[in-house]
Amino acid sequence: EVQLLDSGGGLAQPGGSLRLSCAASGFTFSSYDMSWVRQAPGKGLEWVSGISASGGSTYYADSVKGRFTISRDNSKSTLFLQMNSLRAEDTAVYYCAKAYRKSCFDYWGQGTLVTVSS
Amino acid sequence: DIQMTQSPSSLSASVGDRVTITCRPSQVISNHLAWYQQKPGKLPKLLIHDASTLQSGVPSRFSGSGSGTEFTLTISSLQPEDVATYYCQRYDDAPLTFGGGTKVEIK
Repeated sequence: EVQLLDSGGGLAQPGGSLRLSCAASGFTFSSYDMSWVRQAPGKGLEWVSGISASGGSTYYADSVKGRFTISRDNSKSTLFLQMNSLRAEDTAVYYCAKAYRKSCFDYWGQGTLVTVSS
Repeated sequence: DIQMTQSPSSLSASVGDRVTITCRPSQVISNHLAWYQQKPGKLPKLLIHDASTLQSGVPSRFSGSGSGTEFTLTISSLQPEDVATYYCQRYDDAPLTFGGGTKVEIK
């Protein structure tokens, strides 16, 4: 059974940092592209960042480019999102998601809430 | 970046009604278009990928069609369990983008 376990969310001050993790199991992690998708309270879905199966290629939404860094450790089946220079508008539930058929998403983590506030 | 415009933003229909949701990319895209269902408090669920391919386990009353700059999700006979917000997503290349969502309610 595919499982994605998101963690690392919490309260951060504007300008602060957080590191999110997503522990994967139930599939060959190193064979699949992965992404982070976020959802602000009461709002829609927003793709944040993606990474290729090998980790050699990374992609970012304009809203986070230069502030967030996606990475992965295939030996530990874990996806990361390093979030720096956080802003109030980064407040959201962050989901890791497993890519399917190029880059739609067939499995989602349970989400981790990031709140940016002073 | 390519924007995805969904319409309507919300709708109310009766059980058994045919419901159609439209997604319009700001420019021509390939058929790498997906539809998701998100019930309140739940995770998004992939319904359709490649514009018209039903994901395994999804009821056949859901269907997808379209190409280029207009795609549609159709629920042939709305059921109470279909109350949810529906999102389209293009995934031909980065940055990936979602539509703003369509909230479906029962009248």
